[in-house]
Amino acid sequence: QKEVEQDPGPLSVPEGAIVSLNCTYSNSAFQYFMWYRQYSRKGPELLMYTYSSGNKEDGRFTAQVDKSSKYISLFIRDSQPSDSATYLCAMRKTGGGNKLTFGTGTQLKVEL
Amino acid sequence: GAVVSQHPSRVICKSGTSVKIECRSLDFQATTMFWYRQFPKQSLMLMATSNEGSKATYEQGVEKDKFLINHASLTLSTLTVTSAHPEDSSFYICSALEGAPSEQYFGPGTRLTVT
Repeated sequence: QKEVEQDPGPLSVPEGAIVSLNCTYSNSAFQYFMWYRQYSRKGPELLMYTYSSGNKEDGRFTAQVDKSSKYISLFIRDSQPSDSATYLCAMRKTGGGNKLTFGTGTQLKVEL
Repeated sequence: GAVVSQHPSRVICKSGTSVKIECRSLDFQATTMFWYRQFPKQSLMLMATSNEGSKATYEQGVEKDKFLINHASLTLSTLTVTSAHPEDSSFYICSALEGAPSEQYFGPGTRLTVT
């Protein structure tokens, strides 16, 4: 079993829709949670960074962490065609030497 | 946010030759950088952790003699793929740690094709 599970998609939504992206994990040592956006043939771009449980909002993006369920989510409101990309969740353990463990990524397409 | 660059962005080389990829932190100093490889439609797999002034730490299954890493300064790490073979063709991405708590910022990646 992988430490981090993420549905690879592809996920296709109409413009303006609310998008929900999710990851589950098995190791309770993960304390720091990140979401990255990766456009085709580019490096990942950090979108959201959260520590432990709770919500964090930044513009159209909301990151949610539920440590009791080992489940994290990224919500995108009013989705735009420019949001079409692969979204990777990543997480890090306390004292883990800053190593990140990534999900496989979810490919999102927002259509006009 | 912090900016990390990679050079070259794309390289094609013949089997048996060596290729060097550079990773630079442009507006901050990074004592730690990471090297990843990514196959098509797959996630990033950590290859090694590069620490300035010391030897790199390689992940299990990564040949340290094949993937040479040098972190000579606080803004530059290099990855050399020695005696490259077609199976080494991949997308190589570096990242650098910035700030506290540390966040990883990624370079744009280098696409290596070995013919």
